This record gives sequence, C-alpha cells and structure tokens, in this order.
Amino acid sequence: QKEVEQDPGPLSVPEGAIVSLNCTYSNSAFQYFMWYRQYSRKGPELLMYTYSSGNKEDGRFTAQVDKSSKYISLFIRDSQPSDSATYLCAMSLIQGAQKLVFGQGTRLTINP
Amino acid sequence: NAGVTQTPKFQVLKTGQSMTLQCAQDMNHEYMSWYRQDPGMGLRLIHYSVGAGITDQGEVPNGYNVSRSTTEDFPLRLLSAAPSQTSVYFCASSYNRGQDNEQFFGPGTRLTVL
Repeated sequence: QKEVEQDPGPLSVPEGAIVSLNCTYSNSAFQYFMWYRQYSRKGPELLMYTYSSGNKEDGRFTAQVDKSSKYISLFIRDSQPSDSATYLCAMSLIQGAQKLVFGQGTRLTINP
Repeated sequence: NAGVTQTPKFQVLKTGQSMTLQCAQDMNHEYMSWYRQDPGMGLRLIHYSVGAGITDQGEVPNGYNVSRSTTEDFPLRLLSAAPSQTSVYFCASSYNRGQDNEQFFGPGTRLTVL
C-alpha cells in the first residue's frame, strides 16, 4: 500500500463547477501538507501549503486537512479552463518541505 | 532569476550507457533534490542534499549517484542505464529554514532508455 493515495482520474467538469480533489494517507506522522499543480510537460508548482489540521483559503482555492481521518482535500471554486492540469498532493514529516511524499496526481479538465 | 534549470530536456540512451543530468539554481537555496515521475506513480524522491558537500538517499536511489560540490549545482548520474530508468526527472530546490520552504521545480528531463 502506498503511503499516499490519490485518485488519478481523469476528472472532467464544466466551467464554473466546484471541484473537489482528495488524498488519503497512512502515516499519521505527516505534519505538512501541500498541493501542487502541474501543467502538461512542465514542472510542478506549489499551490497550497498547510500545517496540521484545518482549512486554508487562497482566492478560489481551499485546502482542508483532517488528520484524524488522514484525509486532505483541495476545493476549486468557479473553475476555469486554465485550471486544467494535474494536481498532486504531497506531504512531509518535517518542516522545510524536505523528503516530500507525493500522491499519484489527478488529471483535471475544465470544459468551456 | 532563471530559477531551476535542467539540461538536457530530452535524452535517449541505450542500455548500459552512462550519463549525467544537470541541475542548477540561482536562488541560493540550500536544499536540492531529484525526483522521478512515472505514470500512475506520482513523484518519487531519488536523492537530496541539504547543502554543499551533504547528500542523502531518498525512496528510490538505486542506479543513481549524486554529488553537491557547490550550492548552485546538483547533478544526477546514471551509472549504467536500464529500461526501468525511463522516466521524467525533476530537480527541485528550496530554502532549508523555517516556514520559507516552498520547493521550486525545474522543467524536467525526459529520459528514454532503449
């Protein structure tokens, strides 16, 4: 069993929809949780970063962490075609984003 | 700033050949790492370095060597390429302190081993 599980999709939704992306993990020692966005044939770029449990909002994006359930989510409101990308969750044991453990990534397409 | 740069962008090798993937960053980041990305597997850590002269193994280090002689450069060497090393390789860098720890990724090197 992988330490971090993420549904690879693909996920296709109409423009304007609310998108929910999720990851589960098995290692309760993970403390730092991240979401990366990766456009086709590009390197990943950091989208959201949260520590421990709770919510974090940045514009149309909201990240949630539920450590009791070992479950993290990323919500995208008012989705746009430019949001079409692969979304990767990642987590680490220690501060410094070192030794990240990634999920498989979910490919998302927003249809105009 | 150029950020994190990687060369080459594409490479085809024959089984048994060796090569070095280059990675450089101009942000004075202490921490650098190499990941490989395979379909359905996400990114997996190969090797990382917390500063010049210091390297350590990640999740999938076999078949790869690294060294860190300067802060800027972190090359990845494939000693004897195998088809299982066909992948997309990403280099990343970040500061190594406090909350300022976003990892910046390079554009990747697509490697095919025949």
